[in-house]
Formats: sequence, structure tokens, C-alpha cells
Amino acid sequence: GQNIDQPTEMTATEGAIVQINCTYQTSGFNGLFWYQQHAGEAPTFLSYNVLDGLEEKGRFSSFLSRSKGYSYLLLKELQMKDSASYLCAVRDDNNNDMRFGAGTRLTVKP
Amino acid sequence: ETGVTQTPRHLVMGMTNKKSLKCEQHLGHNAMYWYKQSAKKPLELMFVYSLEERVENNSVPSRFSPECPNSSHLFLHLHTLQPEDSALYLCASSQDYGDFYNEQFFGPGTRLTVL
Repeated sequence: GQNIDQPTEMTATEGAIVQINCTYQTSGFNGLFWYQQHAGEAPTFLSYNVLDGLEEKGRFSSFLSRSKGYSYLLLKELQMKDSASYLCAVRDDNNNDMRFGAGTRLTVKP
Repeated sequence: ETGVTQTPRHLVMGMTNKKSLKCEQHLGHNAMYWYKQSAKKPLELMFVYSLEERVENNSVPSRFSPECPNSSHLFLHLHTLQPEDSALYLCASSQDYGDFYNEQFFGPGTRLTVL
């Protein structure tokens, strides 16, 4: 079957670092996306990985290991506004559709 | 207006009502999508249109009927819904359909409640 798993909820402290993991089992792999979704708002694109390794974009980094079916999103210097859901999505072989995980709700506390 | 807009933002309807959700994208994209987002569940892809042609229908009940009159507009017509259809309905668009790197831009969604 096809599974994309990520933790349901995480809590972290303002100024800290948090790592949100995503594991996947899909029919083929054509890239992995991370999206951020604030409550009541549209998901917004954060990152795309198709090759192994780390992609850094300011305070956010995303890592991919295709052999392990594993990715993580790393958020540094957490700010209160980072409180949101983070969605992991994998593009598979079926028409290159995106398969989403259920999302990880991150709460940043002072 | 920029990006992807959806109306209405909130909708409450009875099981016998007929209503429509509207999505408009101002990005010049060729592909548009409808997703369903239920609490604590993954986004579910419902329909995909590419250049105004439906390219996917992922086993969605016939009480949901999409319409794409042009590449900028997408509708979801609702009829005889069930309470379990209550969810956030998200519209998205992308430059093209089927490319590997094909970032999707999402609208804010319509929060649908079926009584």
C-alpha cells in the first residue's frame, strides 16, 4: 500500500530547533514536498527535494534519503508564527500525483 | 486579486440542497485540482483538470460534480450530500500537469458543513 507517515503533533519552544519527520512508502518516487498550513488558511509551499541530501532555505531546511524513504523538515530559531501544520507530500508514479501525509501540528510556546 | 481564490469561505447546507463551490486562479496556470481535507486525515485528491479537460476522477461519489469552463475557473457542484462530506475543500493550481517539479498553489478553502 501507499503510506506517508508523520507525527500528529509536536511542541517546541520559541528560539529552539525542531525536526519534523516524514516516512513514505509509495509506488515510485518523483519528489517530496513540504507545505505549511496555518489554521484556516491555504497550504503554502516550503520546499521540494528530489535528490538525496539537505536543501536549506533560511531558517527552514529539508532533508531527503530516498533509500530509506525518509525526509525531515528542520526549523531553526523558532518563532511564534511558525505554529502551524506541516504537510509532507510525495509525488508518485501515478500520473505524478501528490500523496499527502495527515500533517504535523506544531505548537511553538514562549 | 492574486493567487488562488475560493468562494464561499464557509458554507452550511442541508442534505437536500444544491450548492456550488467556486475557485479562480490568477496565475496563468494550466492545471487545477480539487482536494478534500478532513480533520486529522491526509488531503485527498478528488479531481484534476488540465487545459480544461478532466484528467483524473479518484473514485469520488457522483454527488460531487466538477466543472472547468476555462483554465482560470473551477467549480464543484454539490448535490444530496451526506454529513460525512463535511470538510475543508481546497482548490489548487499548477503551471502544468504531470511534471515532476510542479508546485501547487492552494486557495484558502471552503469550510463545508452538511447538516
